[in-house]
This record gives sequence, C-alpha cells and structure tokens, in this order.
Amino acid sequence: DQQVKQNSPSLSVQEGRISILNCDYTNSMFDYFLWYKKYPAEGPTFLISISSIKDKNEDGRFTVFLNKSAKHLSLHIVPSQPGDSAVYFCAAMTTDSWGKLQFGAGTQVVVTP
Amino acid sequence: ETGVTQSPTHLIKTRGQQVTLRCSSQSGHNTVSWYQQALGQGPQFIFQYYREEENGRGNFPPRFSGLQFPNYSSELNVNALELDDSALYLCASNSGGAGFNEQFFGPGTRLTVL
Repeated sequence: DQQVKQNSPSLSVQEGRISILNCDYTNSMFDYFLWYKKYPAEGPTFLISISSIKDKNEDGRFTVFLNKSAKHLSLHIVPSQPGDSAVYFCAAMTTDSWGKLQFGAGTQVVVTP
Repeated sequence: ETGVTQSPTHLIKTRGQQVTLRCSSQSGHNTVSWYQQALGQGPQFIFQYYREEENGRGNFPPRFSGLQFPNYSSELNVNALELDDSALYLCASNSGGAGFNEQFFGPGTRLTVL
C-alpha cells in the first residue's frame, strides 16, 4: 500500500532554471511532509519540511507547497545549481509515529550547465 | 558530533544464509529505525527500536529481526536470505518521542543476495 507517490522518476533542468518536484499522498492523517536529498553512496539528508497546517514553507532556494484538498505537495528549487543533481525523496509522517517515515519512490534530478 | 555510521558498506551473501548489519546512532539519539531501499524504490520502514525495545514494525516477515544495545547502537539480522532481500539497508537515528522528529540517516549497507 503505497501511501506516498512520486510519479516522475526523473527530471532534467538547466542550471539557473526552476526545478519542480511533485508528490501525492493518500493518507489524510499525515501531519508532516518532508523532502530528503540523496547522493550516491550517501544516506538521505533532510532538506525541508512542512506541517499539515501550513501551505508553504521556504528555506533559501527551496520552497515546499502543500495542497491538502488535493493531497499534493511540491518542492521548488530556484535557481537550480549543478550540486542539486541528486535523488529527491518525498516522505510523510504522523505526529505519533516517532519519526517513522513513509517514502515515495524518488525523483532523479539532473541539472545541466 | 558523530553522525550515523553503518557497517559493512557492502556485503554479498547466498540464498538461505544469514546476515547481520550494524549501525551506530548519532550521539545523543536513543531511537534507531531501519529501512530497506530496493532498486528504484524509496526506503521502506522495517522496524524501530527505542531504549532496547521494539517500537513499531513495518510489513516485513519475522526473519527480519533487530537488537538495540545500551549504547544505542543497533543490529539488523536477516535469516534465510532470499534474492529479493538484495537492497540498500539504511539505519536512521533520532531523539525519540512524538511530534516532528527528524531522522538522521547513515550511508547504508548494500546487500547482494546471489
């Protein structure tokens, strides 16, 4: 039962342009949504999160938007840089889950010069 | 501050064998979770340990078992290995408790079952 879905396995974007990554979920009980970034041979690293009571959270070049009615969130990276080339995972958790995460399948982002 | 470390980095086993993977939590963290990431998929939650007790389990069979030690390091044991157990196994630690609780991941152990 895949409760978090990332339907785009890959995304190619030019350096300096905007990267938009999408994520859908089915469980309306999720309280927090997180984005993790993963480089090869490294573990996922936390990027940004959003509470279910918010619709936007911004941190530097990264902004996450949440549309609860559509059960959809997106991560915007502006401007994209070559170092942003990685796999991005969308994840979700409930308040009482002690941090246990449900992940999407990931989106491979390639930023080209 | 030491991050989450895992050993070994890579491991090759044959079907039917048993394997033990190890994880050292980040300093100050008393909760450890294990995830399995199959090729092309996102990490899937296996189980979590808090102060040496299992604190939740995902949809994995009993041949996946774990331990947490008093120093909060942890082991993941898999018995009767199957080909589908080939995956990256990730360990993550946090400080436990309800609410928003960021998990810090190790680099993973790549297990190949032949």
